Amino acid sequence: RKEVEQDPGPFNVPEGATVAFNCTYSNSASQSFFWYRQDCRKEPKLLMSVYSSGNEDGRFTAQLNRASQYISLLIRDSKLSDSATYLCVVNTMDSNYQLIWGAGTKLIIKP
Amino acid sequence: GAVVSQHPSWVICKSGTSVKIECRSLDFQATTMFWYRQFPKQSLMLMATSNEGSKATYEQGVEKDKFLINHASLTLSTLTVTSAHPEDSSFYICSAETRQGAGEQYFGPGTRLTVT
Repeated sequence: RKEVEQDPGPFNVPEGATVAFNCTYSNSASQSFFWYRQDCRKEPKLLMSVYSSGNEDGRFTAQLNRASQYISLLIRDSKLSDSATYLCVVNTMDSNYQLIWGAGTKLIIKP
Repeated sequence: GAVVSQHPSWVICKSGTSVKIECRSLDFQATTMFWYRQFPKQSLMLMATSNEGSKATYEQGVEKDKFLINHASLTLSTLTVTSAHPEDSSFYICSAETRQGAGEQYFGPGTRLTVT
């Protein structure tokens, strides 16, 4: 089983719709969680950190479910510019400190 | 803030030559920098973790003698691909942490290497 798993997609969504991604992680000791966005042939950019209580940044809402070991990203009122690959990232913060990257979920927003 | 630059942005070289890629944190000091490689349609793969003033820690399967990493200062890390082969053609991305252990990384724009 992969340490961080994501549905690769692609998710084809009409503009204005709401879309949600889930990401599961296998290490229960994981401490920090992030969503990154990567445009085609570009470097990943930090979209938002995910806090235990859940957090919102404009149209984006991230949630963490420790019991089930998954994090989610919700995008409301999707824009064409939201088309990208969304990467789930987990940090175990143990002696082998390392960010573990999911393979990403591709999102395509259609007009 | 938290800007990371990479140079060059793309490079084409012949088999057997060496290529050096620079990664700089422009407006902060980075005690830890990371080097990733990404093949087309695949996720980022961590190659090595680089701490200023010490030897880099390489991931399993990454040849340290082939991918030389030097982190001489708090704002500069370099990756040298030695004796490059066509299979080394990839997108190389560096990142830096603003705060050690924070988990938030800021990425350089990447370097596209093509070995002919």
